Amino acid sequence: GAGVSQSPSNKVTEKGKDVELRCDPISGHTALYWYRQSLGQGLEFLIYFQGNSAPDKSGLPSDRFSAERTGGSVSTLTIQRTQQEDSAVYLCASSLVGFNGYTFGSGTRLTVV
Amino acid sequence: GEDVEQSLFLSVREGDSSVINCTYTDSSSTYLYWYKQEPGAGLQLLTYIFSNMDMKQDQRLTVLLNKKDKHLSLRIADTQTGDSAIYFCAERVEYGNKLVFGAGTILRVKS
Repeated sequence: GAGVSQSPSNKVTEKGKDVELRCDPISGHTALYWYRQSLGQGLEFLIYFQGNSAPDKSGLPSDRFSAERTGGSVSTLTIQRTQQEDSAVYLCASSLVGFNGYTFGSGTRLTVV
Repeated sequence: GEDVEQSLFLSVREGDSSVINCTYTDSSSTYLYWYKQEPGAGLQLLTYIFSNMDMKQDQRLTVLLNKKDKHLSLRIADTQTGDSAIYFCAERVEYGNKLVFGAGTILRVKS
């Protein structure tokens, strides 16, 4: 597609429920990233996929968080047993490998009540 | 380790120049970036500079890099109300594609 598409744009969930966030990167971009933006905070790196290589999961805050990327394209970030501190905007980005910066999606605003 | 610091807030009058500053710690940074985030939107890449450059100009934007002091700045000439946004500095470290972001600087432009 023309840009990075994320869905849903907003999600309100009850504490303890599982949520799935979706990212559809730019066609042909081999790298895909998930970041989290909390109020007043910078962007916190979560996970990075590059082609068929094993993902860099070093930023995932707990084992409740997982992500997969199917067929080298669409990615899903799953948060199990959501907690209030998971409330944030979850941003997805994609890029070609190289010096170019990322192209970000508009994000999913997650609110855990 | 990797750390990027920015001042949190800057207020300027329309027509003035804005200078947003950033410091980073990783001397192996290869590229440094400035992103803009408008309310309710994702981050938009404004400009980037390779670590062997000390200046880059792109229309109203001027990026200055002092690699010795690990200091990066973004100057916006003739600042407009449409420039009001959060500006993020980011560094790309040598060993990967991951970008490390600062907390962002809120730029408020008063008319």
